[in-house]
Amino acid sequence: DAGVIQSPRHEVTEMGQEVTLRCKPISGHDYLFWYRQTMMRGLELLIYFNNNVPIDDSGMPEDRFSAKMPNASFSTLKIQPSEPRDSAVYFCASSLLGAGEQYFGPGTRLTVT
Amino acid sequence: GEDVEQSLFLSVREGDSSVINCTYTDSSSTYLYWYKQEPGAGLQLLTYIFSNMDMKQDQRLTVLLNKKDKHLSLRIADTQTGDSAIYFCAESISQGNLIFGKGTKLSVKP
Repeated sequence: DAGVIQSPRHEVTEMGQEVTLRCKPISGHDYLFWYRQTMMRGLELLIYFNNNVPIDDSGMPEDRFSAKMPNASFSTLKIQPSEPRDSAVYFCASSLLGAGEQYFGPGTRLTVT
Repeated sequence: GEDVEQSLFLSVREGDSSVINCTYTDSSSTYLYWYKQEPGAGLQLLTYIFSNMDMKQDQRLTVLLNKKDKHLSLRIADTQTGDSAIYFCAESISQGNLIFGKGTKLSVKP
């Protein structure tokens, strides 16, 4: 298996623009997680899905953030409108058995100017 | 709320042992985990320990758990330059939620 795939790897955008991050989990994994990593706040869980259903979105910072999982092999994280404080590395991870053994993608480095 | 604390930096010489420490707050955690992050990459699960165990050994890695003090440690024997990375401690607080520490950056000097 190719592992968790994320695209794009790098994104530079201007404040106010819409940003869409994409993730393809490992085939057969029932859980999908979106994280944000910054120097100041470390690794934060934004939202996770189980069987394509959002279970806990309490980590989503505000209404500008939304996440979808239309099928078992694809998820998106959208930021609209983007702000400079959204600059971070965004990771997607998937798991077969829940929170513990997660497999992380390489991340998307987002820079909002 | 739940919290996981780690020291931010550790520097060792190649060939020495490294010990990375972590404290956590949720006594009901079933499993505790160590993840490794190399530069420019995502996190990778290194090892984990079930909460009813005191110790787990896996090749050069030894995990010690003191449940009374809520203290977890990761010992890396014969540390190599390839072990340079950020190491994250994490506790599971629910089926879908891991709480990660801020990570300990391990630097290995030749």
